[in-house]
Amino acid sequence: DTAVSQTPKYLVTQMGNDKSIKCEQNLGHDTMYWYKQDSKKFLKIMFSYNNKELIINETVPNRFSPKSPDKAHLNLHINSLELGDSAVYFCASSQGSSYAGEAYEQYFGPGTRLTVT
Amino acid sequence: EDQVTQSPEALRLQEGESSSLNCSYTVSGLRGLFWYRQDPGKGPEFLFTLYSAGEEKEKERLKATLTKKESFLHITAPKPEDSATYLCAVLAAGGTSYGKLTFGQGTILTVHP
Repeated sequence: DTAVSQTPKYLVTQMGNDKSIKCEQNLGHDTMYWYKQDSKKFLKIMFSYNNKELIINETVPNRFSPKSPDKAHLNLHINSLELGDSAVYFCASSQGSSYAGEAYEQYFGPGTRLTVT
Repeated sequence: EDQVTQSPEALRLQEGESSSLNCSYTVSGLRGLFWYRQDPGKGPEFLFTLYSAGEEKEKERLKATLTKKESFLHITAPKPEDSATYLCAVLAAGGTSYGKLTFGQGTILTVHP
């Protein structure tokens, strides 16, 4: 029973293309996140949604656009892909948002390895 | 700016050889410190949350401790299946990182049989 799932697992595409990554969680959590893990393994937050509302929007190119159709889903659309976008993208969820004060642990999906050629 | 530094970058142990991983942090008030395990090709798996200095938590061969400046992940009598990258992350109580996890670069642990 997968808690946080992402599709696709691997994504290979050419520069200039537009692609989407989908994420779903069945934990009943209110908050979802997108992270980027670069080649040096640093995980950096990109976006966070709480109850479908965007609450964290880091300094990310506006080619990246997240969408949360409901609490259980958070998608990431990337326009005009560039070589530097190659990385592993992780979706995560938590019971609530740490903006509210609690230090909620986050549960991560398996990741999507994006390779831009 | 909040910072998390993990050491060593890589650690190779023999099965049964106990050791510790270090996570040093600088944060605008600590709301929580998290330890995760990440296997190759997989997402980080939550291990522990520590909230205040002096707190300790244990799970099987792992024990996490916290001071005001650093956290240690002690591994007792490790087995090959403990091989993974261990990530530390902090949640700040204020500042520009408020509400966001700041991760360290991880320690790659390899346990040889």
